[in-house]
Amino acid sequence: EIVLTQSPATLSLSPGERATLSCRASQSVSSYVAWYQQKLGQAPRLLIYDASNRATGIPARFSGSGSGTDFTLTISSLEPEDFAVYYCQQRSNWPPITFGQGTRLEIK
Amino acid sequence: EVQLVESGGGLVQPGGSLRLSCAASGFTFTSYAMSWVRQAPGKGLEWVSSITGRGASTYYADSVKGRFTISRDNSKNTLYLQMNSLRAEDMAVYYCAKADSSAVTATLGYWGQGTLVTVSS
Repeated sequence: EIVLTQSPATLSLSPGERATLSCRASQSVSSYVAWYQQKLGQAPRLLIYDASNRATGIPARFSGSGSGTDFTLTISSLEPEDFAVYYCQQRSNWPPITFGQGTRLEIK
Repeated sequence: EVQLVESGGGLVQPGGSLRLSCAASGFTFTSYAMSWVRQAPGKGLEWVSSITGRGASTYYADSVKGRFTISRDNSKNTLYLQMNSLRAEDMAVYYCAKADSSAVTATLGYWGQGTLVTVSS
């Protein structure tokens, strides 16, 4: 089973700042990584698929990069609504689908 | 518009059973694989099970294999999860999710709002 490790666990930033979230896989997952945003009490929402493709309706300030074992989600300029928990997920070595433990993005 | 509406959650005693349903609309149900993902209180996301579009193939996490059964009724556009021999560690919000293609390995593009399963005596 592929283990995804996200860092940092918590990221404290202010609106307007740039956020960089990391996800590292225990073995290569090619580009089969997705990123999800989850707000309190809500379902996860797909942001990025296949490492760098924005899902429908996702603002351009969200971008993804990486391949192999190291992946990054970048939010170029934080909006108030971006403060949430973010999960990475791999679908390369399947089953099982695995998720990272999440990064909490909080307002500083 | 894609809609996924889960139901069937509730309070059940350890060892008991529950069947979750997920009513789908806004897309051609039979053309897409579907999955269940759960989230224990205050915890992260855990994949539970997936099923192909026509229901021919099913897949399970080791933690639920032999106790849970995923199925679908394509005539009713509904996904199911039969959960037997429930344990305290099965307590979670259960989400149904739609894959982005017929392949079970596809990205989970849409998620329902979830249904809470509480396992307690």
